[in-house]
Amino acid sequence: GAVVSQHPSRVICKSGTSVKIECRSLDFQATTMFWYRQFPKQSLMLMATSNEGSKATYEQGVEKDKFLINHASLTLSTLTVTSAHPEDSSFYICSARDGPETQYFGPGTRLLVL
Amino acid sequence: GENVEQHPSTLSVQEGDSAVIKCTYSDSASNYFPWYKQELGKRPQLIIDIRSNVGEKKDQRIAVTLNKTAKHFSLHITETQPEDSAVYFCAASPGGYQKVTFGIGTKLQVIP
Repeated sequence: GAVVSQHPSRVICKSGTSVKIECRSLDFQATTMFWYRQFPKQSLMLMATSNEGSKATYEQGVEKDKFLINHASLTLSTLTVTSAHPEDSSFYICSARDGPETQYFGPGTRLLVL
Repeated sequence: GENVEQHPSTLSVQEGDSAVIKCTYSDSASNYFPWYKQELGKRPQLIIDIRSNVGEKKDQRIAVTLNKTAKHFSLHITETQPEDSAVYFCAASPGGYQKVTFGIGTKLQVIP
């Protein structure tokens, strides 16, 4: 299947700082990427849909000014957690589509905000 | 929007037995139903999917069934092995580049 990478795999930051997470499709072009948040022992919560060349579509309750998404190319989407706080600590996973249906997930980024 | 319910939330089976996970969905427009397996600390991996023009699909020890009338679909794992232990997520989507809605997940434990 298609390969999606994510970087960094882990990040620890101080409260108030910003953190950028990258999601790349390595062997295919992805016009659409998705960003999820996963709490321990819980399901994948869709945060936003990232569309190449246009603004991201955010799910209800997700602050777009807090979670900035940029999909500048067909192989790269970035999620920036701005002014991070301890409650933003979580596992963030991206996914990318190589067609209309199948999604392939990145390995995830574990964020810890102190 | 779409609502996907999944049960059970946890499931323990003896090695060699079968495991069944069931999901229901609410949006009749959904026609694509993938299943993902997520091992601890790892990414979800697509293990099988089914589309609404098919009622059943098999891949070795894994099978999925779909009942569009009742809006439910199930994952069946036969001859379970310890390496099947993981969290399994069902999902539903209208397809056509639209978003996928996931179930809450089922933690499967296969006891050797």
